Amino acid sequence: GAVVSQHPSWVICKSGTSVKIECRSLDFQATTMFWYRQFPKQSLMLMATSNEGSKATYEQGVEKDKFLINHASLTLSTLTVTSAHPEDSSFYICSAVPTRNEQFFGPGTRLTVL
Amino acid sequence: AQTVTQSQPEMSVQEAETVTLSCTYDTSESDYYLFWYKQPPSRQMILVIRQEAYKQQNATENRFSVNFQKAAKSFSLKISDSQLGDAAMYFCAYRSALIRAAGNKLTFGGGTRVLVKP
Repeated sequence: GAVVSQHPSWVICKSGTSVKIECRSLDFQATTMFWYRQFPKQSLMLMATSNEGSKATYEQGVEKDKFLINHASLTLSTLTVTSAHPEDSSFYICSAVPTRNEQFFGPGTRLTVL
Repeated sequence: AQTVTQSQPEMSVQEAETVTLSCTYDTSESDYYLFWYKQPPSRQMILVIRQEAYKQQNATENRFSVNFQKAAKSFSLKISDSQLGDAAMYFCAYRSALIRAAGNKLTFGGGTRVLVKP
């Protein structure tokens, strides 16, 4: 149980285009999902907290117009990287919370912007 | 704001031996949770062990155990009988018990890479 999926697992796009990443909780409902960014050989950096039915809460320094988050249902949150540039290339990880105590992580999405 | 520090960028251990990973944290809260996560080359984050701050007893999960020293704000992970599959990045993480204040936000340390030598 408590499986989280991400789609796509890997995406390459041209500079200036937008990319949408989906995060789904497969066997539970999640009122809260989180989006992280991870650079090579570094730790996870929290980007935003996604709450079902309300606006996402962004961490300081994260551009909310650049990284659009939508939590449309209790099993789906999406992260859209708008007008992507090479510096947005990174590994993006989502997590979902079925209970108050533990986060379950998706397998991540590798984004490469050319 | 809480901070989590892992002072060892990399640790090497011989197969079947024991390795201890250090983690310290800074918080003014009295109730919180601490976690160790493993991130293998696949990059899938896997929960290794969890400790509730109000519990004095150190958590254990098979070959993994922690040494939780609340006063010292220290939370080390011991991996016993190391196996090749233990090779990964290990992250220490903190979560407040105050849901309304911080949700379920995790604060991660910088990570320690564990190498297992056959």
